[in-house]
Amino acid sequence: AQTVTQSQPEMSVQEAETVTLSCTYDTSENNYYLFWYKQPPSRQMILVIRQEAYKQQNATENRFSVNFQKAAKSFSLKISDSQLGDTAMYFCAFVLSGGYNKLIFGAGTRLAVHP
Amino acid sequence: NAGVTQTPKFQVLKTGQSMTLQCAQDMNHNSMYWYRQDPGMGLRLIYYSASEGTTDKGEVPNGYNVSRLNKREFSLRLESAAPSQTSVYFCATTRTSGGPMGETQYFGPGTRLLVL
Repeated sequence: AQTVTQSQPEMSVQEAETVTLSCTYDTSENNYYLFWYKQPPSRQMILVIRQEAYKQQNATENRFSVNFQKAAKSFSLKISDSQLGDTAMYFCAFVLSGGYNKLIFGAGTRLAVHP
Repeated sequence: NAGVTQTPKFQVLKTGQSMTLQCAQDMNHNSMYWYRQDPGMGLRLIYYSASEGTTDKGEVPNGYNVSRLNKREFSLRLESAAPSQTSVYFCATTRTSGGPMGETQYFGPGTRLLVL
């Protein structure tokens, strides 16, 4: 069975600092996609970043970047220059290639950014 | 362009009552999904519809039924609500029905359901 594990239930960071959220996953498949979603207090699910497993290059989106280690099945999210608006739950998720886009989510990490 | 909309936003039910959660999208996407989110857990897939006219079970389908009314609308029905179904329900869409692309899912704002 495919699983996603986020080992940090809560994290805290000062504004303008850098924080890294951890995610590991388990699958025997070789082709899949990985995502980080953000859920602010409004509950809206917002895509932060997406990584194709066949790409060795780590994805980046402005202040957000990932460290994708396929052999270790690790997919961490780094947020640089943290802003108050980054305060949210962050969910790691993956989907198998050809798997009807059925996302499998981790339990989430609650991130608080303090002034 | 509203994206993905869900109604109602919040609902309180008594055990045994029935209700239907509505989801509509104006993105012309083919696939639609229903998830539930419980405290301390990520979203779990209840049902999905790869295309108009098809539906399939996800990870936690028991106690639910779905209808893909047309390309735009995908409803989730609780026939006899139970306290264990207290949750936040999310609808999501993707442009295509899967294949190799691992497409981004676009989520609605969620429906908070409380079953007493």
